[in-house]
Amino acid sequence: DADVTQTPRNRITKTGKRIMLECSQTKGHDRMYWYRQDPGLGLRLIYYSFDVKDINKGEISDGYSVSRQAQAKFSLSLESAIPNQTALYFCATRPAGGNTDTQYFGPGTRLTVL
Amino acid sequence: GQQLNQSPQSMFIQEGEDVSMNCTSSSIFNTWLWYKQDPGEGPVLLIALYKAGELTSNGRLTAQFGITRKDSFLNISASIPSDVGIYFCAGQLGNTPLVFGKGTRLSVIA
Repeated sequence: DADVTQTPRNRITKTGKRIMLECSQTKGHDRMYWYRQDPGLGLRLIYYSFDVKDINKGEISDGYSVSRQAQAKFSLSLESAIPNQTALYFCATRPAGGNTDTQYFGPGTRLTVL
Repeated sequence: GQQLNQSPQSMFIQEGEDVSMNCTSSSIFNTWLWYKQDPGEGPVLLIALYKAGELTSNGRLTAQFGITRKDSFLNISASIPSDVGIYFCAGQLGNTPLVFGKGTRLSVIA
């Protein structure tokens, strides 16, 4: 089984709809992240969480919200989707501290907003 | 937000050739990471560097943490078709989130 899973893998929706993307991990990591990837722009951080009670805005948080329901789950919501939110979305996890401070990514969710 | 300058943006090379790409930053990092993304997949970690001047290899891949802590490079020797993909560098300072480069898209011509 994959360590970091994302659902759905693909989603097409209409402008104005509310969308939730979900991420689950079995790695036991404390830290979880949401990124979006656009062609030529690399990975940009939307939100991140260091534990269940901790939520932090990233570089491009406007138009998004998150919920850290448990250590293993971190969901991303688009309250009212707009076309420029069409992108590839990645969840990632990372252990806290130590020299193993590396980040593991899920397989991605391709979101299209019409 | 802070971004790394990753170059080149794209490369077309013949199978068997060596490849070199690099990242530079205006600020220092204490960790440099290199990831590869295959089409339709999430980035996968290739090499992690934790010490200025460190040179680390992973098979045909070699990466170095620049001595100034503001740059890193990745070399791929004797490229093969499965090396095709997008390569990302990422830097981190302390507990702050990783900062990613915009990626280098590698195409290998058989």
